[in-house]
Amino acid sequence: AQTVTQSQPEMSVQEAETVTLSCTYDTSESDYYLFWYKQPPSRQMILVIRQEAYKQQNATENRFSVNFQKAAKSFSLKISDSQLGDAAMYFCAYRSLDMNRDDKIIFGKGTRLHILP
Amino acid sequence: NAGVTQTPKFRILKIGQSMTLQCTQDMNHNYMYWYRQDPGMGLKLIYYSVGAGITDKGEVPNGYNVSRSTTEDFPLRLELAAPSQTSVYFCASSYNGGWQETQYFGPGTRLLVL
Repeated sequence: AQTVTQSQPEMSVQEAETVTLSCTYDTSESDYYLFWYKQPPSRQMILVIRQEAYKQQNATENRFSVNFQKAAKSFSLKISDSQLGDAAMYFCAYRSLDMNRDDKIIFGKGTRLHILP
Repeated sequence: NAGVTQTPKFRILKIGQSMTLQCTQDMNHNYMYWYRQDPGMGLKLIYYSVGAGITDKGEVPNGYNVSRSTTEDFPLRLELAAPSQTSVYFCASSYNGGWQETQYFGPGTRLLVL
């Protein structure tokens, strides 16, 4: 079964600095999708960025970028020029392409990010 | 577009009571999902639907039921509430295209069972 591990329960970063959130996963599948979601205090889940496993190029969305290392099964999120509004819980997620699986999308336990003014 | 909306935002239930969590999306998405998020944990899939009239179990379906009579609505039913069902429930939807599509989440419903 697939697993998603976020080893950093909490992190802090100074405003305007760069921070990297770690995520590792385990799977025997060769094709899949990976996501980073942001959950602010409002509790709504917001998609930050996604990566298709068949793409070698790392995904980028404005200040957010990923370092996708398929062989190492690593999918870290880098936030550049951190802003106070980035403070939230961040979840890494894995999605299987196998529609027969019950655990089609798997989330890590999350990393709470604090932004220090 | 309002996106994915959920009601209520918060509810307290007594053990054994029943309730329905409502979820509506106005993006014409075929796929809809229900997740629960326990404190300090990630989300777990309860049920999902690939289109009107079609539903299937996810990872943790016990104690819940769903129906999908329209494309827009995907209510989640709790028949006999138990303390173990205290959680935050998220509804999500994705565009017709299957599992490679991005899921859009609602704001969540916080449920407390006492």
